[in-house]
Amino acid sequence: ELKVEQNPLFLSMQEGKNYTIYCNYSTTSDRLYWYRQDPGKSLESLFVLLSNGAVKQEGRLMASLDTKARLSTLHITAAVHDLSATYFCAVDTPRDDKIIFGKGTRLHILP
Amino acid sequence: EPEVTQTPSHQVTQMGQEVILRCVPISNHLYFYWYRQILGQKVEFLVSFYNNEISEKSEIFDDQFSVERPDGSNFTLKIRSTKLEDSAMYFCAIRGQVLYEQYFGPGTRLTVT
Repeated sequence: ELKVEQNPLFLSMQEGKNYTIYCNYSTTSDRLYWYRQDPGKSLESLFVLLSNGAVKQEGRLMASLDTKARLSTLHITAAVHDLSATYFCAVDTPRDDKIIFGKGTRLHILP
Repeated sequence: EPEVTQTPSHQVTQMGQEVILRCVPISNHLYFYWYRQILGQKVEFLVSFYNNEISEKSEIFDDQFSVERPDGSNFTLKIRSTKLEDSAMYFCAIRGQVLYEQYFGPGTRLTVT
């Protein structure tokens, strides 16, 4: 059974600092997703990573994928308050028509 | 990015009542999904639907749940006899046609009292 583990689950950081969220998954996957969720809102797609070594960047967020290690990272550069949200990593499997989510990382950026 | 709307945005119902949650994609899609998120917890897969058939379902999706596309556009999730533990946000998702990523609707907050 596919399992997705994120850490940390909660992160409080100062504006201007850098930090990384980690996502490990247990079996081979076709795609790895990163979503953002603001309180009471839906899930916003940030990145889709398809292949080993894939790196995508959008503003202060950069996501990477190492399929051999079954690890993805979401790196935040020079955090700003607007990035405060919950970030979910999710993975799908080759045979299954579903995506499995991690528990999410609640990011709180202090001004 | 494909758009998906969901109605109602908030539904309050009494335990044992039936509810129908609706999902309307803006454009034509073949793949539909329902997920739920209990407050403060992770997003859980319920069911996937392709070509008017269930393609996969989770253990949460028991006999109390059903899905259909009654008119070829709306995609509905029905809970026959709601329980307190069904209280959650329910998200509909559709599959994009380029990277096959899933796009989520705004959600329906279901409160069972």
